[in-house]
Amino acid sequence: EAQVTQNPRYLITVTGKKLTVTCSQNMNHEYMSWYRQDPGLGLRQIYYSMNVEVTDKGDVPEGYKVSRKEKRNFPLILESPSPNQTSLYFCASSSKQGPGNTIYFGEGSWLTVV
Amino acid sequence: AQSVAQPEDQVNVAEGNPLTVKCTYSVSGNPYLFWYVQYPNRGLQFLLKYITGDNLVKGSYGFEAEFNKSQTSFHLKKPSALVSDSALYFCAVRDVLGTSGTYKYIFGTGTRLKVLA
Repeated sequence: EAQVTQNPRYLITVTGKKLTVTCSQNMNHEYMSWYRQDPGLGLRQIYYSMNVEVTDKGDVPEGYKVSRKEKRNFPLILESPSPNQTSLYFCASSSKQGPGNTIYFGEGSWLTVV
Repeated sequence: AQSVAQPEDQVNVAEGNPLTVKCTYSVSGNPYLFWYVQYPNRGLQFLLKYITGDNLVKGSYGFEAEFNKSQTSFHLKKPSALVSDSALYFCAVRDVLGTSGTYKYIFGTGTRLKVLA
């Protein structure tokens, strides 16, 4: 079954404590990205990756890092989380082939920073 | 830069009535437009897309969308709403960056659809 899997689904952490949200897809997709969803703001892109070792900033990259060492994995790293990073995070992937490929989303990760 | 706008935060409709969720876009070149739905505590699910061809696009769960180039709109429609259609709906556009083949997806702010029994 085509899947984007992200973990953890729910996390409460403290300010400044580094954390990583993992994302893995089983569809051999080249394109992967991270979004955060906040009320009234919709989905905003944090980082995206067009392929292994190719990453780029989205609209709201501050306070986040990513890496793409393998095609299937695209972890999101918060080196020093702050309360304004409390949000719902989604990982997504799609194939690069063709102009209008479907984006597949993970189930989301609820992150609370206290 | 390309963008999409969803002018309504919430749309209420009675069960059995037709529904419309609005989306307008701003693009340079040919638009690649999408609709996604998000049910509570779930990720986004693909509904339909417009790439080229017929202006009326049919998708999942009985939804369809009409691409209107002159009005730069891509409204989501369904002839008869169900209570189970209540969810958050997002319009999106694919933004091609330069000539390198790099692209990103831009989402609207979402419209909450409430279907009343």
